[in-house]
Amino acid sequence: EIVLTQSPATLSLSPGERATLSCRASQSVSSYLGWYQHKPGQAPRLLIYDTSNRATGIPARFSGSGSGTDFTLTISSLEPDDFAVYYCQQRSDWPRTFGQGTKVEIK
Amino acid sequence: EVQLVESGGDLVQPGGSLRLSCAASGFTVRDYSTHWVRLAPGKGLEFVSAIHYTDGTAYYADSVKGRFTMSRDISKNVVYLQMGRLRPEDMAVYYCTRVSEAGWFDPWGQGTLVTVSS
Repeated sequence: EIVLTQSPATLSLSPGERATLSCRASQSVSSYLGWYQHKPGQAPRLLIYDTSNRATGIPARFSGSGSGTDFTLTISSLEPDDFAVYYCQQRSDWPRTFGQGTKVEIK
Repeated sequence: EVQLVESGGDLVQPGGSLRLSCAASGFTVRDYSTHWVRLAPGKGLEFVSAIHYTDGTAYYADSVKGRFTMSRDISKNVVYLQMGRLRPEDMAVYYCTRVSEAGWFDPWGQGTLVTVSS
């Protein structure tokens, strides 16, 4: 199965700062990489699909880039509501797999 | 509004069984593939099982194959996860999610907690 490795595990930042999250795949997933936001006690939410497309209702401060095996989620200026855990996921192959998550916490 | 609501999570002893339900609204489970994904303490999200919308064929992670069975009731618009021979490592919040037209998990339910402990 395709293994997704996210880094860093934790990102400590202040509101207004830029967040850069990385996701590396063990083999090419083409552009079939998505990102989800998850807050405790809530349902995970799709943010980005197919590497760089924002899901419905997702603010423009969220952007995705990359291809093949290396992908990045960027939050241009952190809002208080953005502190959460972020997961990448591939749909290039079965089974669908997720990264271990990056926690974005308030510094 | 498209919505998924899970239920059935509980405390169960190792070796026991449990059935989770996922009630769908705003769409029909006949027309969309659905998945169960779990989040264990200290771990990341993990695919558990899926049902393909075309024929109801179910797929499973190796870690649950032979122990879990996913099914759907189109008349009730509900998907199920029958869990058997539960192990401590099955303890997690179990989420139900739909595969969108674009092929991604959207939306998700709020999850239901399964605790496996004696």
